[in-house]
Amino acid sequence: GAGVSQSPSNKVTEKGKDVELRCDPISGHTALYWYRQSLGQGLEFLIYFQGNSAPDKSGLPSDRFSAERTGGSVSTLTIQRTQQEDSAVYLCASSLTSNTEAFFGQGTRLTVV
Amino acid sequence: EDQVTQSPEALRLQEGESSSLNCSYTVSGLRGLFWYRQDPGKGPEFLFTLYSAGEEKEKERLKATLTKKESFLHITAPKPEDSATYLCAVRLSGGSYIPTFGRGTSLIVHP
Repeated sequence: GAGVSQSPSNKVTEKGKDVELRCDPISGHTALYWYRQSLGQGLEFLIYFQGNSAPDKSGLPSDRFSAERTGGSVSTLTIQRTQQEDSAVYLCASSLTSNTEAFFGQGTRLTVV
Repeated sequence: EDQVTQSPEALRLQEGESSSLNCSYTVSGLRGLFWYRQDPGKGPEFLFTLYSAGEEKEKERLKATLTKKESFLHITAPKPEDSATYLCAVRLSGGSYIPTFGRGTSLIVHP
């Protein structure tokens, strides 16, 4: 497709379980971002990938959160031992370069019960 | 202190009643200011990029302008379908390539 694709669109998981969220960026985009949006809150930066450089993980809220980007394309955000406060919409975005606008996917709504 | 502040938090307009949304940032060294529209349950949709003071961009009923410390999103003769949350983001110089978002302005346009 032409846009950023995220899967699943919705995920309900039990507290303590691990989850994986997937992001397919726009083809050719070198930069990829993960954000989190809680109800009524702004977008909270999580992690940034640029080409083959080491990712900027400065926004990850705890060591339960990790992400990888394979082959400079698809990215997976993993949350281990999920907690109720992890419930949010996780948004992925990509941009052609680090200086251009980012385009977002539709997000994954994560609910931890 | 937030680096990006949007005002007002919420705005209700009558159809056809023009108004402006504000996005101000507190740090210097802008490497891009971005406006997005977000509908409930969806990801942000890109609207405009502005890079330098004095720059303006237009799309249908929307016009974005930029000064050294703030940006305005002007909405002319809005329609109910313009109802959404409008987000502003800035990318700053100094090594960080990560867009920082404001909390958004929730716009409701009544018919």
